[in-house]
Amino acid sequence: DVKVTQSSRYLVKRTGEKVFLECVQDMDHENMFWYRQDPGLGLRLIYFSYDVKMKEKGDIPEGYSVSREKKERFSLILESASTNQTSMYLCASSPMGELNTGELFFGEGSRLTVL
Amino acid sequence: QKEVEQNSGPLSVPEGAIASLNCTYSDRVSQSFFWYRQYSGKSPELIMSIYSNGDKEDGRFTAQLNKASQYVSLLIRDSQPSDSATYLCAVNPMEQAGTALIFGKGTTLSVSS
Repeated sequence: DVKVTQSSRYLVKRTGEKVFLECVQDMDHENMFWYRQDPGLGLRLIYFSYDVKMKEKGDIPEGYSVSREKKERFSLILESASTNQTSMYLCASSPMGELNTGELFFGEGSRLTVL
Repeated sequence: QKEVEQNSGPLSVPEGAIASLNCTYSDRVSQSFFWYRQYSGKSPELIMSIYSNGDKEDGRFTAQLNKASQYVSLLIRDSQPSDSATYLCAVNPMEQAGTALIFGKGTTLSVSS
């Protein structure tokens, strides 16, 4: 089974702190994604990556950056956390090419609270 | 802006009834469509995918796609309390696979025993 692991299930940070959310997948998937999920707003795409050292902005990239130094790891960085970044963050992955059915495989989520 | 629209609900049905969940999408070139189920506090899990017009059945679940009307639905027959969850409709907005999915905001289903 595909396993997407997010390093922290729950985090509490203070305004202005730098926050790292880590995501690791074990199925050699090329594509990795970061979404955030908020009540009434659904899942919104922050950033995604099709390859190592490659990144693309999603719908709401402001206030976030990402890093993909290795194929299996995709990190989301909040340079200076703000209260409006309190949310559930979901990492997902998918394969490229013939193996891709369009399905995304999600991690368990990281619930971030910024005080 | 490519959009996926769902009724937010809540949709309440009695145990054993058919639950009908609907979704419309704005981008005509979309080729693949997905229904995810999300229990409270959990991450989404895929329950159905559909790529061509018509019906696709898997157990108690039937997905229906009408590309001309840009409409996709999910029917849950013999609804069970364990089906109570939020159902997310998702669309691949491009002709090639591997792109990020666009999600609707989800419909909350409540099945009462």
